Amino acid sequence: DAGVIQSPRHEVTEMGQEVTLRCKPISGHNSLFWYRQTMMRGLELLIYFNNNVPIDDSGMPEDRFSAKMPNASFSTLKIQPSEPRDSAVYFCASSFGQGTYNEQFFGPGTRLTVL
Amino acid sequence: GIQVEQSPPDLILQEGANSTLRCNFSDSVNNLQWFHQNPWGQLINLFYIPSGTKQNGRLSATTVATERYSLLYISSSQTTDSGVYFCAAPSRSSNTGKLIFGQGTTLQVKP
Repeated sequence: DAGVIQSPRHEVTEMGQEVTLRCKPISGHNSLFWYRQTMMRGLELLIYFNNNVPIDDSGMPEDRFSAKMPNASFSTLKIQPSEPRDSAVYFCASSFGQGTYNEQFFGPGTRLTVL
Repeated sequence: GIQVEQSPPDLILQEGANSTLRCNFSDSVNNLQWFHQNPWGQLINLFYIPSGTKQNGRLSATTVATERYSLLYISSSQTTDSGVYFCAAPSRSSNTGKLIFGQGTTLQVKP
């Protein structure tokens, strides 16, 4: 079975540009998570969806970040406008079920560089 | 919220050696995961282990939930074991599934 799929794998953009990251969760999973990894802060949750509905977006840094999940097999994380401090690796993860009991599986990540 | 601490922060081993990595957490948990982040940055699931002991090849893990710690054992280490090992857990009071990650143990296995 395919794991979590993310695209693009690498993105280099200039400050002020819009960036869209994409994620396809594992088929049958109904929870989706976006995490960000930086040297300074480690891995931290940005937003959590369950059954396509955003449940916890308290980790979204600011209004420049937005996330959508229009259906069970696709989610996007958008940054507009991007800034150099947004440079990081963005991971998407999925699990089956709701809440904290269930194993999360991570995609390969998108390495974002904002110049 | 829950605090997750890992030790040691760095570890250098000679190929063939054994090691134990530790993860302490400050609150009771109903989920604990161990990951290996390989040199290409991918997060590989090693164990989902809220309690008890599991083994997978040369790796095994034990979680003692009542004492709030988990251990990851690596036996007969190989150079391909190099990378960063993370444990992660949500607080039992959390209903969002948010995993709190430790800062990781960076392992280097020398040939």
